[in-house]
Amino acid sequence: GAGVSQSPSNKVTEKGKDVELRCDPISGHTALYWYRQSLGQGLEFLIYFQGNSAPDKSGLPSDRFSAERTGGSVSTLTIQRTQQEDSAVYLCASSQRTGRYTEAFFGQGTRLTVV
Amino acid sequence: EDKVVQSPLSLVVHEGDTVTLNCSYEVTNFRSLLWYKQEKKAPTFLFMLTSSGIEKKSGRLSSILDKKELFSILNITATQTGDSAIYLCAGDSGGGADGLTFGKGTHLIIQP
Repeated sequence: GAGVSQSPSNKVTEKGKDVELRCDPISGHTALYWYRQSLGQGLEFLIYFQGNSAPDKSGLPSDRFSAERTGGSVSTLTIQRTQQEDSAVYLCASSQRTGRYTEAFFGQGTRLTVV
Repeated sequence: EDKVVQSPLSLVVHEGDTVTLNCSYEVTNFRSLLWYKQEKKAPTFLFMLTSSGIEKKSGRLSSILDKKELFSILNITATQTGDSAIYLCAGDSGGGADGLTFGKGTHLIIQP
């Protein structure tokens, strides 16, 4: 597609339920990032994929969070047993290194509300 | 650990004023510094800076990088209410996560 696509755009879920967030990066982009932005906070790095592998999972806040990427394209971020503090906007970005520099293109995000 | 610090965290000015937003960085194997504007959910790209001392301009916005002192500034002249947003700065590293380290952003509010 023309840009990074995320779905759903909004998700309201009950505490304790599992949710799955999807990111469809720009075609051909090998790097994919997940970030979280809580109300009033800056962007928080969650996980980074290069192709299908995740060399850096250091940002995942707990073992309830997991992410996978298959076929070097679509990625899903899964949050199990959601808690109210998981409420945030989850942003996905993709990039394709050209030469030495990287520009990341962001999706519109998924606004997750845990009630 | 890579770090990007932005200041001020928030700023309220009147329409027509000029503002300067600051970004300092400590990024391993620094490649570039990026500025984004976030109005709703997704940041939109403004500038990528790779070389010291070369100003990038886009309309009323301009930015410059100092690789010796490890900082960048984003200037907005003749501000308009549509400039109200969170401005994010990110450092691009070639090491470790091979990704971007974001600052917490500057929340800019332009009052009419």
